[in-house]
Amino acid sequence: GAVVSQHPSWVICKSGTSVKIECRSLDFQATTMFWYRQFPKQSLMLMATSNEGSKATYEQGVEKDKFLINHASLTLSTLTVTSAHPEDSSFYICSAVWESSYNEQFFGPGTRLTVL
Amino acid sequence: GQNIDQPTEMTATEGAIVQINCTYQTSGFNGLFWYQQHAGEAPTFLSYNVLDGLEEKGRFSSFLSRSKGYSYLLLKELQMKDSASYLCAVTDSNYQLIWGAGTKLIIKP
Repeated sequence: GAVVSQHPSWVICKSGTSVKIECRSLDFQATTMFWYRQFPKQSLMLMATSNEGSKATYEQGVEKDKFLINHASLTLSTLTVTSAHPEDSSFYICSAVWESSYNEQFFGPGTRLTVL
Repeated sequence: GQNIDQPTEMTATEGAIVQINCTYQTSGFNGLFWYQQHAGEAPTFLSYNVLDGLEEKGRFSSFLSRSKGYSYLLLKELQMKDSASYLCAVTDSNYQLIWGAGTKLIIKP
């Protein structure tokens, strides 16, 4: 149980285009979802915390107009990287929490974004 | 500020035992997690400690001392597949997860 999927697994796009990444909790209702970014050989960096039906809370330094998060249901959150640039190339990982999981975060497999 | 410290890199031999330490200073404490992350993959859950003491799960054990702000992950009978980064993370008083930078563990035959 507690499976989280992400789609796509990897994506290559041209600079200036937008990319949408989906995060789904497959067998549980996620009260909260998190979006992380990880650059090579670096640790996870929390970008934003997302609760269903409300606006996401962004970490300091993360542009909310560039990284649009929509958490429309208890099983789906999306991250849209708008007007992507090469410096946005990274590994994007989502995670989800459900009420009885003592705050354990269940991670999706990640999405590798390459912006040309 | 909130801070989690763990060694950047460790090397161990196949079949041996290795201990990865983690110290933390956070605003409140609601549990400590250890995650394993292979290169190019997302983290996977290893253990959770909220009370002092040792939690054993197969070849992996995790220890917590809240008074010392200290935890360790103990890996026994090391296998080559254990080569990965090990991430220590603490949930603070706001239930926000604070991540360490991770310890890259290299296993040599």
